[in-house]
Amino acid sequence: ETGVTQSPTHLIKTRGQQVTLRCSSQSGHNTVSWYQQALGQGPQFIFQYYREEENGRGNFPPRFSGLQFPNYSSELNVNALELDDSALYLCASSLVGRTSGSNEQYFGPGTRLTVT
Amino acid sequence: GEDVEQSLFLSVREGDSSVINCTYTDSSSTYLYWYKQEPGAGLQLLTYIFSNMDMKQDQRLTVLLNKKDKHLSLRIADTQTGDSAIYFCAESRGSYIPTFGRGTSLIVHP
Repeated sequence: ETGVTQSPTHLIKTRGQQVTLRCSSQSGHNTVSWYQQALGQGPQFIFQYYREEENGRGNFPPRFSGLQFPNYSSELNVNALELDDSALYLCASSLVGRTSGSNEQYFGPGTRLTVT
Repeated sequence: GEDVEQSLFLSVREGDSSVINCTYTDSSSTYLYWYKQEPGAGLQLLTYIFSNMDMKQDQRLTVLLNKKDKHLSLRIADTQTGDSAIYFCAESRGSYIPTFGRGTSLIVHP
């Protein structure tokens, strides 16, 4: 049991709609990363949040946005959904120190988003 | 080509050893990882190796790194049906954000 939880587990949306996915980090972790995993692919990095600030972003358009809250829970928001946004969305939490990163990320089970 | 490449499928008999191979392109990779993903689940970090090491062993798992050829392998000894899953190779640099391969689907049959 990793301690990282995500909600909802499954979601169906229509093209053009907006969606919010939620993640609760493992206790004591201060960093959360979000990934998109299309069918048959490896996870693709969307962005990372450290202490409520965006701390790195992958090759995703601005309609993908996020938030990290003081309790280190996090949200991923996607606006103007497209069919290609259908994927498994994974969050991963880790503990990053002031002078060192962490190479151990703990993943949640994911949210399966289907856009029709 | 892809930054991290893996073969897509591997089939082994229960009790045999499995070897999953991976190649990567970035010579500045700092950490190399192996993750496991079971159906309907997130990713589980199995093991990782720092780029200045050439081998790491952890129970049934052995990781070999050939930095010159940018080749990483994961050997699973005495493979069990519970090892059936998708195995992802990943590399990261200073940011610790991993870049994943497409995954190797390991099928273990009796």
